[in-house]
Amino acid sequence: DIQMTQSPSSMSASLGDTVTITCLASQDIGNYLSWYQQKPGKSPKLMIYGATNLEDGVPSRFSGSRSGSDYSLTINSLGYDDEGIYHCHQYYEYPLTFGGGTKLELK
Amino acid sequence: EVQLVESGGGLVQPGRSLKLSCAASGFTFSNYYMAWVRQAPKKGLEWVATISTSGSRTYYPDSVKGRFTISRDNAKSSLYLQMNSLKSEDTATYYCARSGVVLNWFAYWGQGTLVTVSS
Repeated sequence: DIQMTQSPSSMSASLGDTVTITCLASQDIGNYLSWYQQKPGKSPKLMIYGATNLEDGVPSRFSGSRSGSDYSLTINSLGYDDEGIYHCHQYYEYPLTFGGGTKLELK
Repeated sequence: EVQLVESGGGLVQPGRSLKLSCAASGFTFSNYYMAWVRQAPKKGLEWVATISTSGSRTYYPDSVKGRFTISRDNAKSSLYLQMNSLKSEDTATYYCARSGVVLNWFAYWGQGTLVTVSS
């Protein structure tokens, strides 16, 4: 199975900051990676697919990138609405797997 | 507007069975692979099952293979998850999710239904 190692598990940042969350894939997954935002008590929301493609309606402050087996989600100009848990997900092969999640809080 | 509405969750004893349903609307259900994803309390997401457009192909992780069965009724735009031999570790919120083709991201999610396995 492909392991997705997500870091950090939690982080705190200030309004207006730029933050980066990373997922390391245990083997090649190409660009078959997506990112989700989850608010407390809510279902996940797709933010990025294909490693770098912004889902419709998602602010352009969000971006995804890839460097080898490292995948990153970057949020610029952090706002209070960006608080939540972020999950990465590989869909390169079955079994589909997720990272452990990153809890983002604003100071 | 795409809507996915899960139902059927509840409290069930270990070893018993439960069937979840997901009613889909706002898109042509028969054109999309569908999936179930679960989330144990305070834990991350775990993929549970995926079914092809016709229902002829299904995929499961080892953790539920042989115990869970995903199915669909395209005439009713409905997705199902039959869960047998339930264990305490199956306790989670179960989400219905719309996929795309064989391997795809999850563009839409339902609100989830909570399954608690406990005596």
